[in-house]
Amino acid sequence: GESVGLHLPTLSVQEGDNSIINCAYSNSASDYFIWYKQESGKGPQFIIDIRSNMDKRQGQRVTVLLNKTVKHLSLQIAATQPGDSAVYFCAENKAAGNKLTFGGGTRVLVKP
Amino acid sequence: SAVISQKPSRDICQRGTSLTIQCQVDSQVTMMFWYRQQPGQSLTLIATANQGSEATYESGFVIDKFPISRPNLTFSTLTVSNMSPEDSSIYLCSVGGSEGGTYNEQFFGPGTRLTVL
Repeated sequence: GESVGLHLPTLSVQEGDNSIINCAYSNSASDYFIWYKQESGKGPQFIIDIRSNMDKRQGQRVTVLLNKTVKHLSLQIAATQPGDSAVYFCAENKAAGNKLTFGGGTRVLVKP
Repeated sequence: SAVISQKPSRDICQRGTSLTIQCQVDSQVTMMFWYRQQPGQSLTLIATANQGSEATYESGFVIDKFPISRPNLTFSTLTVSNMSPEDSSIYLCSVGGSEGGTYNEQFFGPGTRLTVL
């Protein structure tokens, strides 16, 4: 079936560098995408979302890019900090269907 | 965003027993969902908790194993019945979500960490 997946399971980043987390999706009908951050022992925390009629959206230190041609989603974290260490999930949501399909997750480890 | 709490936060249970997990939201919400996150894995939707009617289950999940209640717009319960070690997971409720062409983010509770011996 259609699913959302990730290229890299673990990403080690030097503190202060930028992080890029990638996600591939296969359902061309998907029209809404969300990035979540999950710290150990906690529930997923909403980071940023993007609709399919956009190709870029920026938040505080984060940018999400959407490439519908190749069905690719990425999350960029600027000046990565120790507090950014977590597992990051992309999720796909169809407004009509109202269900989230999650990718496999990428663990980001920030080295001091 | 809504403030979501879950009880218990964690539990250790014996196989064959049942555990009911509660999800409380600080505001009325239309959509509530229950997810399972197995150790080291991603989240999988169990069901949509419908207020005033039976929950809508995803493929692979059945009401006899995971009965759900939704008595009002701020509260829901998930029961994990006749537990086995394979049910050891984090169970998460979420609220919000898109419907009717409106895009709304989903917010998650802190989760209930269940260990079945």
